[in-house]
Amino acid sequence: DVKVTQSSRYLVKRTGEKVFLECVQDMDHENMFWYRQDPGLGLRLIYFSYDVKMKEKGDIPEGYSVSREKKERFSLILESASTNQTSMYLCASRGTGGMYQPQHFGDGTRLSIL
Amino acid sequence: KQEVTQIPAALSVPEGENLVLNCSFTDSAIYNLQWFRQDPGKGLTSLLLIQSSQREQTSGRLNASLDKSSGRSTLYIAASQPGDSATYLCAGGGILTGGGNKLTFGTGTQLKVEL
Repeated sequence: DVKVTQSSRYLVKRTGEKVFLECVQDMDHENMFWYRQDPGLGLRLIYFSYDVKMKEKGDIPEGYSVSREKKERFSLILESASTNQTSMYLCASRGTGGMYQPQHFGDGTRLSIL
Repeated sequence: KQEVTQIPAALSVPEGENLVLNCSFTDSAIYNLQWFRQDPGKGLTSLLLIQSSQREQTSGRLNASLDKSSGRSTLYIAASQPGDSATYLCAGGGILTGGGNKLTFGTGTQLKVEL
C-alpha cells in the first residue's frame, strides 16, 4: 500500500512566522501535490510537482512556495504566515502511467495561525 | 474551468439501506473521476477511480458509475452499515503539466448511517 506521511497532525504558529510543512511518500511516485481544505470551499490545489526540482502553481499559490529536492519529499512553505492561512493542509502523491492512477493522500496537517 | 457539485450536502439513512450519492461536473472532457472517503479530522481514502473510457467500477459493496455526456457520476452503497458514516468526496481529473492529474473536488456529502 502507498503511504503518504505528513510530519505533523497539528501545528500552531504565529503571524509572520515562516512555516514548513513536510510530506514524504514511499512509492517512488513522480507526482506530488499540496491542497488546502476549508469548510464550504472543499479541497483546492496550491502547488504540484511532477519531478524533482519541478513545480507548478495550482489554483491558489499566493503566499506559498514549495520545495522538492528529493523524489520522496515535497515541502510546503508559508513565507510569512497569516491568519487566513489557518486551514487543513493535505499532501498527495500519484504515479505516472495513465488515467487509472489514483491520488493517495496523507492524514493532513491542521495548521492554526494566531 | 471544471466545477464539481455534490448533492445532497448531508444524508442520514437507517442501517441496511441501499443509497446513491450524486456528483455532477461541468466539463465533459474529463480524464478520470475519483471517489474518496474522509473520516473526521483525517485525510482522504481513495475508494474508486473510473477512467474516462469506462462506465463503472465496483469494489465490494461500492459501485461507481460515470456518464460523461450528462456530466454525472454516482456512488452506490449497498446494505449500508454504521461504519460507512463519513464524508464522501468526488473529484474530476484533468491533465496537468508533466503528465500530472489535476483533481477538482466537490464539497462532499456527509453520510450518517444510523442503527
